[in-house]
Amino acid sequence: AQSVTQLGSHVSVSEGALVLLRCNYSSSVPPYLFWYVQYPNQGLQLLLKYTTGATLVKGINGFEAEFKKSETSFHLTKPSAHMSDAAEYFCAVSDTGGFKTIFGAGTRLFVKA
Amino acid sequence: NAGVMQNPRHLVRRRGQEARLRCSPMKGHSHVYWYRQLPEEGLKFMVYLQKENIIDESGMPKERFSAEFPKEGPSILRIQQVVRGDSAAYFCASSPQRGEAHNEQFFGPGTRLTVL
Repeated sequence: AQSVTQLGSHVSVSEGALVLLRCNYSSSVPPYLFWYVQYPNQGLQLLLKYTTGATLVKGINGFEAEFKKSETSFHLTKPSAHMSDAAEYFCAVSDTGGFKTIFGAGTRLFVKA
Repeated sequence: NAGVMQNPRHLVRRRGQEARLRCSPMKGHSHVYWYRQLPEEGLKFMVYLQKENIIDESGMPKERFSAEFPKEGPSILRIQQVVRGDSAAYFCASSPQRGEAHNEQFFGPGTRLTVL
């Protein structure tokens, strides 16, 4: 069975500082991995996804994530946080043959001025 | 191109009433997914539907919950005899192809159900 673990339900950074949101997954088959962002009272928006190929994936708003098979990780990073990045971030996994996407519990990012 | 639409955005029901949540997928999308988000939790898969077919309902509670996606019209998630524990945000997502896991699911803004 697939699963996703997001370390840290809340992360707080200063504006301009590095953002690092951690995600570890479990999958018995090569996974497809996603990061979504959710702003208050809105649905989820895709930030980036890993399917195959290059392990460093670039997404929208300056975010990127690196797929590390040996560590079963897919951490999300951004070099310099902006106030508008304050939101909840969800890591998700689905398998290559299916359609069901499993979401992590989410990490709420706070950005301090 | 309009995104995924859900209505109502907010729904208040008293215990024992019925709740009907509607989802119109993006134009050209024929696959719909329903998720439930409880406070401080991630999204939990409920059901996956194609037009006139339920493909996977493994995440649906065994009683009181049902879903449909008719040939014409929106997908409906129906909750009968609501209880306070049903209070949550319900999200609908759509995608254009079945089984293409790498395809992004496009999410609607959600319906926030409050049961008094």
